[in-house]
Amino acid sequence: KQEVTQIPAALSVPEGENLVLNCSFTDSAIYNLQWFRQDPGKGLTSLLLIQSSQREQTSGRLNASLDKSSGRSTLYIAASQPGDSATYLCAVLTSGTYKYIFGTGTRLKVLA
Amino acid sequence: DAGVIQSPRHEVTEMGQEVTLRCKPISGHNSLFWYRQTMMRGLELLIYFNNNVPIDDSGMPEDRFSAKMPNASFSTLKIQPSEPRDSAVYFCASNENGRETQYFGPGTRLLVL
Repeated sequence: KQEVTQIPAALSVPEGENLVLNCSFTDSAIYNLQWFRQDPGKGLTSLLLIQSSQREQTSGRLNASLDKSSGRSTLYIAASQPGDSATYLCAVLTSGTYKYIFGTGTRLKVLA
Repeated sequence: DAGVIQSPRHEVTEMGQEVTLRCKPISGHNSLFWYRQTMMRGLELLIYFNNNVPIDDSGMPEDRFSAKMPNASFSTLKIQPSEPRDSAVYFCASNENGRETQYFGPGTRLLVL
């Protein structure tokens, strides 16, 4: 059974810092992995999707990497801004299924 | 496109009442997902439809929960009878083929008293 863990559960950083959010999963037979952002009281917004054959994806100040063999993904945020404050969730799609398994998220606060 | 539309946005009801949540997926998307989010259990998939057909309903907690998708532009999630432990935020999401980027609606915040 696929399990997804995100560490840390919460993070507070000053504006301008580069930061890394971690996601680990137990079953390396994955189809893809997504990183989402969730603002308070809102739905989820997909930030990056990495296929199992890819090592990383980039979008603006965001870079996500994937190491299937070790069951890990990281989301790197460069030059953080107060507007980046949100909860970040990773979700893993195990091969042969249509069910994304979500981590419990990292709650990020960027201080001005 | 307006994105995934959910209604109502908030629902407060009493235990034992029937609750119906509604979702309109993004036009052209053939896959639809219902999720439930709670503090205790995080985000859980309840049911997945592809081309209006339920493919995986293993996440539906009990017989009190049912979901339908009568056409490509509308889905409902019904709870009958509702219980306080059903209180959660219910999200609907859609995508083009089930395994790619999912687009989430704003959610329905349900409180069962």
